[in-house]
Amino acid sequence: DIQLTQSPSFLSASVGDRVTISCRASQGISSSLAWYQQKSGKVPDLLIYAASTLQSGVPSRFSGSGSGTEFTLTINSLQPEDFATYYCQQLKTYPQTFGQGTKVEIK
Amino acid sequence: EVQLMQSGAEVKNPGESLKISCKGSGYSFNTYWIAWVRQMPGKGLEWMGIIFPGDSDTTYSPSFERQVTISVDKSISIAYLQWSRLRASDTAIYYCARLKATRVGTNAYYFHGMDLWGQGTTVTVSS
Repeated sequence: DIQLTQSPSFLSASVGDRVTISCRASQGISSSLAWYQQKSGKVPDLLIYAASTLQSGVPSRFSGSGSGTEFTLTINSLQPEDFATYYCQQLKTYPQTFGQGTKVEIK
Repeated sequence: EVQLMQSGAEVKNPGESLKISCKGSGYSFNTYWIAWVRQMPGKGLEWMGIIFPGDSDTTYSPSFERQVTISVDKSISIAYLQWSRLRASDTAIYYCARLKATRVGTNAYYFHGMDLWGQGTTVTVSS
């Protein structure tokens, strides 16, 4: 199985901050990576697919980059509604594993 | 409306069987892969397996193979997840999700991500 390691696991940030979350794959996955946001008690939402393509309806303050084994999710100017847990997922091979999650909390 | 509607919460005893469902509507159900994802209490997302309703092509995560069965009835646009003998450790929320994918060959797909999710089914297994 391909392992995905997110860092940090937890971060505390303020409204307006720029936030960066990293996702490292145990082997190369080209650009087959997606990012999801899950608010507390809610269903996950797709934010980014193919490493850098914004899903329809997702605000442009979210962006993704990377390929191979190193990926980044960036949130520019963090908004109150962005406090949530973020997961990366590789879709290159089965099983299509998730990272362990990064919880973004209010400082 | 494009949606995946899952069956309601279940409370079961250890050793019992269970089948939960996920009904797609508002889109061509048979042409999109459906995945099942587990979320144990307070934990992250775990990919369980995937099925293509058009031909029932199914792949399981090694962690869940032999623990669950994924199936589909394409005539009524419903995917299923079932257990023959539940354990307390199966207590979790189970999500179905549609996969956004591009066909890149006769039987090959480039998967983009899970773009539509069911509301989740909470399964509680306790004596």
